[in-house]
Amino acid sequence: GESVGLHLPTLSVQEGDNSIINCAYSNSASDYFIWYKQESGKGPQFIIDIRSNMDKRQGQRVTVLLNKTVKHLSLQIAATQPGDSAVYFCAETYNDYKLSFGAGTTVTVRA
Amino acid sequence: DAGITQSPRHKVTETGTPVTLRCHQTENHRYMYWYRQDPGHGLRLIHYSYGVKDTDKGEVSDGYSVSRSKTEDFLLTLESATSSQTSVYFCAISESAGRSYEQYFGPGTRLTVT
Repeated sequence: GESVGLHLPTLSVQEGDNSIINCAYSNSASDYFIWYKQESGKGPQFIIDIRSNMDKRQGQRVTVLLNKTVKHLSLQIAATQPGDSAVYFCAETYNDYKLSFGAGTTVTVRA
Repeated sequence: DAGITQSPRHKVTETGTPVTLRCHQTENHRYMYWYRQDPGHGLRLIHYSYGVKDTDKGEVSDGYSVSRSKTEDFLLTLESATSSQTSVYFCAISESAGRSYEQYFGPGTRLTVT
């Protein structure tokens, strides 16, 4: 699989490999985090969320990891498919209905 | 995008003209938001609403106003459009139940100010 240790704006992944998208969040008090996927020409779509009392949460082909010590969030996509090509955003909030979004990572899947 | 529509989907307007974008939801969600999305900036909150006639500013509210006269509609007005307001605008909704802060997004409105 391919991974990035720091947040990078783009990630190129071979189809079938695992991908890891990283996000550094800013507020140490944030207690809720979301990953969104945005395909070209569409609005962001919810992928998975995690609360600060958890370190890991799994969904269908996706896993989110939370490291509160270093304020780091990652999204792992297993067996990346062409349909996973999109921009991925992390978002955070602290007990508030306003989310703060990261700049996003563009994932391109190579056939 | 289910349950959230935005109109118009595309608009070209001239500098100095007023523009109103509409967000309509059928989910009866309490919270509604307007964001703008620009390259390199991700999504930035313009204004949000936490109930009918209850609104508040986000991080980039200058030059924008909003109104919410009923639960299902949230209007964003550019009082006098400028070229810097050329952007893609997204509406989002969320509900307060269960301490879930997930927001659902509409399809977006692409606005070009010439």
